[in-house]
Amino acid sequence: AQTVTQSQPEMSVQEAETVTLSCTYDTSESNYYLFWYKQPPSRQMILVIRQEAYKQQNATENRFSVNFQKAAKSFSLKISDSQLGDTAMYFCAFMTPVGGTYKYIFGTGTRLKVLA
Amino acid sequence: ETGVTQTPRHLVMGMTNKKSLKCEQHLGHNAMYWYKQSAKKPLELMFVYNFKEQTENNSVPSRFSPECPNSSHLFLHLHTLQPEDSALYLCASSRDNLAESSYEQYFGPGTRLTVT
Repeated sequence: AQTVTQSQPEMSVQEAETVTLSCTYDTSESNYYLFWYKQPPSRQMILVIRQEAYKQQNATENRFSVNFQKAAKSFSLKISDSQLGDTAMYFCAFMTPVGGTYKYIFGTGTRLKVLA
Repeated sequence: ETGVTQTPRHLVMGMTNKKSLKCEQHLGHNAMYWYKQSAKKPLELMFVYNFKEQTENNSVPSRFSPECPNSSHLFLHLHTLQPEDSALYLCASSRDNLAESSYEQYFGPGTRLTVT
């Protein structure tokens, strides 16, 4: 069975600094996709970044980048130049096609607080 | 905000009540999902619908009854709930076509349910 583990329940970072959120996963599938979602307080969950497992190059989206280590089954999120608006719950998620549909599995989340 | 809406945003109900949660997506997606979000637990996938057909039911108790009349609307009918069912219920949608490379999920704002 696939699992997603986020070992840091809470983190804080000073504004303008860099922070890394960790995520590990377990699967025997070879075709899968990884995501980081952000859920600001009382607001909708939105996609931050995604990574296809077949791509070796790490995905980047502006201040957000990932460190994808396929052999280690690790998928960490780096936030550079942290801003107050980055304060949110961050969920790591794994998706694999199963029987004509997609199976998504989420981690427990990391609550990130950016300090002024 | 994304094109997924949920009503009501907050709901308080007694254990003998019957109520329904509604989700609507305006993104032209053909897959819709119900998740339960409880504190300090991973997002729990409850139901998946593809092209109006239920493709997954993750051992959800029968007091939760989904309905998907078309690809744009999804309901969750609730009856004789328990206090432990209190949680944030999230609806999500996605395309169901890997070739389109847009397989991430788009989430609604959720319905905060309290069972008294």
